[in-house]
Amino acid sequence: QKEVEQDPGPLSVPEGAIVSLNCTYSNSAFQYFMWYRQYSRKGPELLMYTYSSGNKEDGRFTAQVDKSSKYISLFIRDSQPSDSATYLCAMIGSGAGSYQLTFGKGTKLSVIP
Amino acid sequence: DTGVSQDPRHKITKRGQNVTFRCDPISEHNRLYWYRQTLGQGPEFLTYFQNEAQLEKSRLLSDRFSAERPKGSFSTLEIQRTEQGDSAMYLCASSVGPTAETQYFGPGTRLLVL
Repeated sequence: QKEVEQDPGPLSVPEGAIVSLNCTYSNSAFQYFMWYRQYSRKGPELLMYTYSSGNKEDGRFTAQVDKSSKYISLFIRDSQPSDSATYLCAMIGSGAGSYQLTFGKGTKLSVIP
Repeated sequence: DTGVSQDPRHKITKRGQNVTFRCDPISEHNRLYWYRQTLGQGPEFLTYFQNEAQLEKSRLLSDRFSAERPKGSFSTLEIQRTEQGDSAMYLCASSVGPTAETQYFGPGTRLLVL
């Protein structure tokens, strides 16, 4: 079992839909949870990060972390065609010795006009 | 404000050749990371620098791979005697401060080994 599991999709939704992306993980040492967006043949772009459990909102994006279930989510409201990309979850522990991001496989999202 | 830059963006080489990639981190970012990403997978950690010191290397980084960050600014990743299995996107990231959760990635160097 990989440390981080993410359904690779593909996921196809109509424009304006609410998108739900999620990851599960097994390493309880993870404390920071990130979502990256990656367009085809580009580098990952940091969207949001959350520390420990809770919610964080940034515009149309909401990140949720449930450490008790080892489950994280990213919600995209009013999805746009420009949101079409691969979304990667990533995690890292806390403290000076934690520097290595552990990624999921990524979920490929297509938003259809 | 410039982000992380990488050069070249694409490299095609023949098996057995050596290749070198360069990464310029965001100015004043003291931490620099190299990752490798293959098709359909998330990035996998290769190595990490804090300033000029290389503090960690993944077991993925075989003896054919070497990375340097001589003055704590730009970094190079060299692959000697390339193999077809080395074909991947090589990503560089940088961060600043006491924790490493906000890593900013460059556009990557896509390597194809024929």
